[in-house]
Amino acid sequence: ETGVTQTPRHLVMGMTNKKSLKCEQHLGHNAMYWYKQSAKKPLELMFVYSLEERVENNSVPSRFSPECPNSSHLFLHLHTLQPEDSALYLCASSQKREYNEQFFGPGTRLTVL
Amino acid sequence: GQNIDQPTEMTATEGAIVQINCTYQTSGFNGLFWYQQHAGEAPTFLSYNVLDGLEEKGRFSSFLSRSKGYSYLLLKELQMKDSASYLCAAVDSNYQLIWGAGTKLIIKP
Repeated sequence: ETGVTQTPRHLVMGMTNKKSLKCEQHLGHNAMYWYKQSAKKPLELMFVYSLEERVENNSVPSRFSPECPNSSHLFLHLHTLQPEDSALYLCASSQKREYNEQFFGPGTRLTVL
Repeated sequence: GQNIDQPTEMTATEGAIVQINCTYQTSGFNGLFWYQQHAGEAPTFLSYNVLDGLEEKGRFSSFLSRSKGYSYLLLKELQMKDSASYLCAAVDSNYQLIWGAGTKLIIKP
């Protein structure tokens, strides 16, 4: 595998479910990101990790909980989501936090019923 | 506040040239990115400008004017596969990317 991979590619969940999104990067990068992409809106940065430390949390609701166990893996744990959380969730990585060319995964299309 | 403006949608003809504009207002500036995103796929890097001027890369060129807070992406010899969304993102003083909503480019035969 090369680049940035994400699983699952599609996820449908009820508002009371708990699920997790997984991201893995095979590029040897030190920074990883979670974005939310909704139709016709700019990418919304949710979380940033640099060298496995969270460096940014842009006022994201607590029903989204990130986890970065090592520099290659990033998770987004979901619980008690709302229908307005339905979106494409993109993971990205970059060589380091200050070097911004970001490489994106294919995303997880999330639908909350 | 920080803001990126780019047109929502543009239409062009196969073989023609199209210019997609982007204006930005950020707290500090550390460069501007253009990404391409095909429907249902990941955004992919096209270009990065930090100095004023034109950067050419094959059929695609990107221009930056820091004094005007303005950039454009120029696509020449358009092909059907260029139908995609084009995302502009400016880097602020904290090295955070500020994203535009993207321009959907439709190529007609």
